[in-house]
Amino acid sequence: DQQVKQNSPSLSVQEGRISILNCDYTNSMFDYFLWYKKYPAEGPTFLISISSIKDKNEDGRFTVFLNKSAKHLSLHIVPSQPGDSAVYFCAASEYNAGNMLTFGGGTRLMVKP
Amino acid sequence: ETGVTQTPRHLVMGMTNKKSLKCEQHLGHNAMYWYKQSAKKPLELMFVYNFKEQTENNSVPSRFSPECPNSSHLFLHLHTLQPEDSALYLCASSLQTGAEAFFGQGTRLTVV
Repeated sequence: DQQVKQNSPSLSVQEGRISILNCDYTNSMFDYFLWYKKYPAEGPTFLISISSIKDKNEDGRFTVFLNKSAKHLSLHIVPSQPGDSAVYFCAASEYNAGNMLTFGGGTRLMVKP
Repeated sequence: ETGVTQTPRHLVMGMTNKKSLKCEQHLGHNAMYWYKQSAKKPLELMFVYNFKEQTENNSVPSRFSPECPNSSHLFLHLHTLQPEDSALYLCASSLQTGAEAFFGQGTRLTVV
């Protein structure tokens, strides 16, 4: 049973517009959430994270929103750029369970020029 | 460049072969991980080493055997693999378990 789900396998967005990537989780004990970005033939690279004590974290063009009651987080990229085209993974961890990361299945973002 | 280096980048092996994947980090991290990424599946955690001690074995078959001789190096020894073991194997490290993990570029393994 997948505890972290990314229900959209792909997303296509026009350059300059907002990209919104969504992630749902089932384990209410998760207290730390991360987004990773993966280009082909490369390993995932850390993008942004958020602790469960916050509902928003912003870093440049990237903002992560956390809705604990809905067990939902989202990554907003604005404005989207063609170089943002990649697979985005969300991940979650639970401090009391050893902090191991549980990953979602990924969403492929394509930003069209 | 994340500071985590994996070799080889690509590997083709027969089901009777024995091979090893290597991972190296000089980031001063204390935790190292092996992940498996199969097509259309989430990243699966295989093994975790914390301060050279294995702390997690995620029900991985014994044909995969990890080794962590020191906190900078991690190996994954492979023997008598099956075609369904073909996947991208990713090594990662973090300062401590739960901190942001830095991933290597992965080894694309094909078992024939």
